[in-house]
Amino acid sequence: NAGVTQTPKFQVLKTGQSMTLQCAQDMNHEYMSWYRQDPGMGLRLIHYSVGAGITDQGEVPNGYNVSRSTTEDFPLRLLSAAPSQTSVYFCATGQGAGEQYFGPGTRLTVT
Amino acid sequence: KQEVTQIPAALSVPEGENLVLNCSFTDSAIYNLQWFRQDPGKGLTSLLLIQSSQREQTSGRLNASLDKSSGRSTLYIAASQPGDSATYLCAVGNTGKLIFGQGTTLQVKP
Repeated sequence: NAGVTQTPKFQVLKTGQSMTLQCAQDMNHEYMSWYRQDPGMGLRLIHYSVGAGITDQGEVPNGYNVSRSTTEDFPLRLLSAAPSQTSVYFCATGQGAGEQYFGPGTRLTVT
Repeated sequence: KQEVTQIPAALSVPEGENLVLNCSFTDSAIYNLQWFRQDPGKGLTSLLLIQSSQREQTSGRLNASLDKSSGRSTLYIAASQPGDSATYLCAVGNTGKLIFGQGTTLQVKP
């Protein structure tokens, strides 16, 4: 049981490049979500999903795209990277009103 | 809009002391409240989850309480140890979404 996995662990992008952060879970959880963590701002919700085919925006969705075609995977796409997207990104999963479990994070730097 | 506040932002205590971390939230319409621990450069580890219908949860030396009517939760750590040094985050949950406080950074000195 791997739990929640995220790839890559580290990434450096140039401004304007695009990339996809991967998140996968093997717990059959219905909820999946993406957060970013910035110094002084805490963790903020980017996008979330309550099941395959259903996604919605969180607090800071601009510049990010998501889709959820399977229960297991919830990729986060950066369409045109900007320095303001330099952050640590965490994926989380949960079921109903139960605990949320977090992945190890992806540290992204945009130059 | 839900807002979550944690006080204090930082705390330094000698080993063996009992301590309380505070979390407050503005909207009592929550499903649950979860406490996490985060070590520097690492991910979040879930410590305790309290459902909205519960008053408290315990795990080892940790006890978390929830008072929805006053919008408060506390995390009590008994007999603190240097290994407890970390940032502690509280988050209120609603349908798979979490809203986080800024965290309390705890240092336990030997």
